[in-house]
Amino acid sequence: SQTIHQWPATLVQPVGSPLSLECTVEGTSNPNLYWYRQAAGRGLQLLFYSVGIGQISSEVPQNLSASRPQDRQFILSSKKLLLSDSGFYLCASLSRENTEAFFGQGTRLTVV
Amino acid sequence: AQRVTQPEKLLSVFKGAPVELKCNYSYSGSPELFWYVQYSRQRLQLLLRHISRESIKGFTADLNKGETSFHLKKPFAQEEDSAMYYCALSGTSYGKLTFGQGTILTVHP
Repeated sequence: SQTIHQWPATLVQPVGSPLSLECTVEGTSNPNLYWYRQAAGRGLQLLFYSVGIGQISSEVPQNLSASRPQDRQFILSSKKLLLSDSGFYLCASLSRENTEAFFGQGTRLTVV
Repeated sequence: AQRVTQPEKLLSVFKGAPVELKCNYSYSGSPELFWYVQYSRQRLQLLLRHISRESIKGFTADLNKGETSFHLKKPFAQEEDSAMYYCALSGTSYGKLTFGQGTILTVHP
């Protein structure tokens, strides 16, 4: 099975500061990768997904961006954080051979 | 459009009672449907998928294409079933994986 490493687990950042959340995957190659935001009452909101290196699909307009510089690396970024960017962010990986998605432990981001 | 709806945010039952978590979907093609579960302080994990047609921890789910539903059922709930449950749909060749809003199940002793 796959292992998803996501860090940091918690992060407190001031408004206007940059953001970089990293996710790496072990145990598979060429997976689909996903960034979700988990909010109470709104479930898992898909932010970005990627089907290959350099290929990013954005699902919602926002202050965030994503990049996939390597096959098993997925990065969520922002140049200037907003208060509304606070939330719980989850990275997930889904292999082509097995349609089961594996999730990271999540990052709790608080923008102050 | 690819959409998953879980109408109940909260569901409470007593131990031994039947439980049904509702899930409806919207998708124009042939969907793959899943139930994921998140227990307290654990990662989100797959519970079951419709193509497997299996029972996991006593839970079953049947895909009803006519009603576009994939409800999760268990005849006798246990306290350890208390968790957040997400219904999910994967339908496109691009691998987009869409989740519902989630249902918090609480099983009382």
